[in-house]
Amino acid sequence: EPEVTQTPSHQVTQMGQEVILRCVPISNHLYFYWYRQILGQKVEFLVSFYNNEISEKSEIFDDQFSVERPDGSNFTLKIRSTKLEDSAMYFCASSESEDRSNIQYFGAGTRLSVL
Amino acid sequence: AQSVSQHNHHVILSEAASLELGCNYSYGGTVNLFWYVQYPGQHLQLLLKYFSGDPLVKGIKGFEAEFIKSKFSFNLRKPSVQWSDTAEYFCAVNSYGNNRLAFGKGNQVVVIP
Repeated sequence: EPEVTQTPSHQVTQMGQEVILRCVPISNHLYFYWYRQILGQKVEFLVSFYNNEISEKSEIFDDQFSVERPDGSNFTLKIRSTKLEDSAMYFCASSESEDRSNIQYFGAGTRLSVL
Repeated sequence: AQSVSQHNHHVILSEAASLELGCNYSYGGTVNLFWYVQYPGQHLQLLLKYFSGDPLVKGIKGFEAEFIKSKFSFNLRKPSVQWSDTAEYFCAVNSYGNNRLAFGKGNQVVVIP
């Protein structure tokens, strides 16, 4: 079964540094998403992306965050000037379409630890 | 905005016991409902989904869920669990015109052999 892959599985960084989390969505999917889960809290939507632009973002997704599809296979989440509260598990997902009944397939996540 | 509630975050039970995980959502319109499972070290996998039709849906690995619209609930059940069902289970919802998923906090289920 095709999978969404995320790298690295664990990223440790110092506060104030920039990190890039990487995702390879399923190859024929057109819609991409980032979610995050702070320890002990719910999985929260960050952003959705289609046709090389953001289609929707949450209030969490401020100027500190950006997303990019730098080539035909990768989808990245960049966090500038990381803060302690950015420590979380970050999940990438992809779907064939944006139709709300379309299934989103998730990666295993990247655990970001900001020290 | 939708919100999803899952209770009893930690569930410990023995093999062959029955499992029921509750999920309630707050949204009055048309919704899609999902249960995802995350086994240790793996990605979130779809267990089952409800879009429309028969409110009793069957998923993989012997799981089923029942949508009760009047109760805003979508509870997950399995009559007889196995050790391999040890995982975290997430209920999720999205609604008309909005494809973002709203998740519950998850249920950490541990099945003791």
